[in-house]
Amino acid sequence: QVQLQESGPGLVKPSQTLSLTCTVSGGSISSGDYYWSWIRQPPGKGLEWIGYFFHSGSTSYNPSLKSRVTMSADTSKNQFSLKLSSVTAADTAVYYCARERVVPATSFDSWGQGTLVTVSS
Amino acid sequence: DIQMTQSPSSLSASVGDRVTITCRPSQSISSYLNWYQQKPGKAPKLLIYAASSLQSGVPSRFSGSGSGTDFTLTISSLQSEDFATYYCQQTYSTPKTFGQGTKVAIK
Repeated sequence: QVQLQESGPGLVKPSQTLSLTCTVSGGSISSGDYYWSWIRQPPGKGLEWIGYFFHSGSTSYNPSLKSRVTMSADTSKNQFSLKLSSVTAADTAVYYCARERVVPATSFDSWGQGTLVTVSS
Repeated sequence: DIQMTQSPSSLSASVGDRVTITCRPSQSISSYLNWYQQKPGKAPKLLIYAASSLQSGVPSRFSGSGSGTDFTLTISSLQSEDFATYYCQQTYSTPKTFGQGTKVAIK
């Protein structure tokens, strides 16, 4: 059974870059059957899709964040990463990495536990 | 972006009650609709995919229906472990958007 685990700093200063890594076990991020995604949830609020990385190197980002987001992967470590630049307090959220399957239907079927990132000086 | 509107935003119910949550996208999304359950401090869990298909391991008291612009999640007999927040999500187009959530609380 696949497991995902987020890691990275829990505190980031305003205007700096938020960097998170998701380590995948029990499955390969090189599989063409899945998109490797990031989703965030501000405290007490709903879920926002940030984007995904596909094993071919292709990416798709939420247009609301596209100018600040970069996703990549290290297949040798079976990890994928999120970078969000020029952060503000509005970027404070629990960040989840998730696996998005395509078959039998597009859906997020596995999630990491989430990591809280606070943007504050 | 496709806006997803859930109703109600919250509800109170008792164990054994039948509960229905509605999700209405701002445009037709065929059956590209998923439902998730989230408990406090936990990641969301996939319950229903493609509007009406039950995810493996999810109890059969959960069911989904609908297509186009009108979807429903039904819990046939609410159990204590079902008190949580429920989200719908569309995968018809990017960005993949979620509803604002429906919190199911104990009456």
